[in-house]
This record gives sequence, structure tokens and C-alpha cells, in this order.
Amino acid sequence: EAGVTQFPSHSVIEKGQTVTLRCDPISGHDNLYWYRRVMGKEIKFLLHFVKESKQDESGMPNNRFLAERTGGTYSTLKVQPAELEDSGVYFCASSQDLTVYGYTFGSGTRLTVV
Amino acid sequence: GEDVEQSLFLSVREGDSSVINCTYTDSSSTYLYWYKQEPGAGLQLLTYIFSNMDMKQDQRLTVLLNKKDKHLSLRIADTQTGDSAIYFCATGFQKLVFGTGTRLLVSP
Repeated sequence: EAGVTQFPSHSVIEKGQTVTLRCDPISGHDNLYWYRRVMGKEIKFLLHFVKESKQDESGMPNNRFLAERTGGTYSTLKVQPAELEDSGVYFCASSQDLTVYGYTFGSGTRLTVV
Repeated sequence: GEDVEQSLFLSVREGDSSVINCTYTDSSSTYLYWYKQEPGAGLQLLTYIFSNMDMKQDQRLTVLLNKKDKHLSLRIADTQTGDSAIYFCATGFQKLVFGTGTRLLVSP
């Protein structure tokens, strides 16, 4: 079984530019989550999709962040325009059931805004 | 809001035991977890414990939960260099609240 795939693995962009991160969950997993870790700090929840619907987006920091999951398969997280404080590692996870111990995390996208 | 705290760094010698500590604020936490992140890899669930348990053992790993003090610990017996990684404590059910992570360095 393929794991959760995220790309790019690294991205360096200038302040004010746009970046789109992609997450491919494990096939058949209805639940998809985005988290991020700002350098040296805790990993924070961003949002949760159930299929194509946003179940919980309480962690999205502001309206520069837009997450989509069209068709209930892969998801994208767009940051527009990027700011310096958006730098960090963005993790995606998926699960089939609603228990967290069913989560599988991807290896993350390291975003650096300069 | 909920808060999870961990020390940032722990250094041990190979063969010693490692103990990583965590405190949390949410008294309603039903599940508590330990995740491991190796360089360049994602978060790997190591183990979890239900809040009605005091202890859970899984091979070299022992998790202790003191619910009164809201304190969780992870003990790794016979620590190996391959155990060097960042260890995250987390609470939650659907949505996880993580600590800052403890970087464990194991020296030969």
C-alpha cells in the first residue's frame, strides 16, 4: 500500500509569491488532515477534510491559506501571497476511520519564504 | 486553549534508558500519543495510551500516565543510535494537539 505522498518535498519562494502544496492520501481514505510546524515550535492542526468537504478548518491561520480537495482524492494547500512567517514544514495525514491512531502522515513539505 | 509541553533536547549514551517527559493541560484528553520523526521522514505513531490506563508497555517502550498531574512519559529501554529522532507528545481524538518535540540524541 502506498503511503501518504506530499510534494514538493522542499520549496523556496520569495515573500509575496504563491505556492501550492499537494497531498495524495492513501487510496480509499476519506479523512485528510493538514498540519504545520513552524520552526522549532509545536505542530499545529490546520484543517480536516472528509471526502471533499471541510469538516474542521479552525486551524487555518488567515485567508491567505486556501485548501481544496476536489473529488475527494488529493488535496492542495495554496498560500497566496506568502509571508515570512509561513515558513515551516507542512504535514498531511489521512485515515479511513475516525480514530487518530488510524492516521498515516506524509513526510511533509518544507516551505521557506525569503 | 489546549497546551502540550516537552523539553527540547535529551542526550543519552547507547544502551542507557531514555525518558522523555510531557505535560498537557486538557483534562478531557481521552487518548495520548507518542510520535517519532526521523530526519526527512513523516511522523510515525510509536504508541498511544488511553486516559484510563496508567501504563502501557510495548517491547522497549514504556508509557506512563499520571492523570492527576497531567504528565505523560515515554521510556525507551536499551536506547540505540537508531532511536535518535524527534519525539512528539500529542493529545486529542480527531484533531491532535502536539508538543514542541524532544530531540533525542544517542551517542555511541
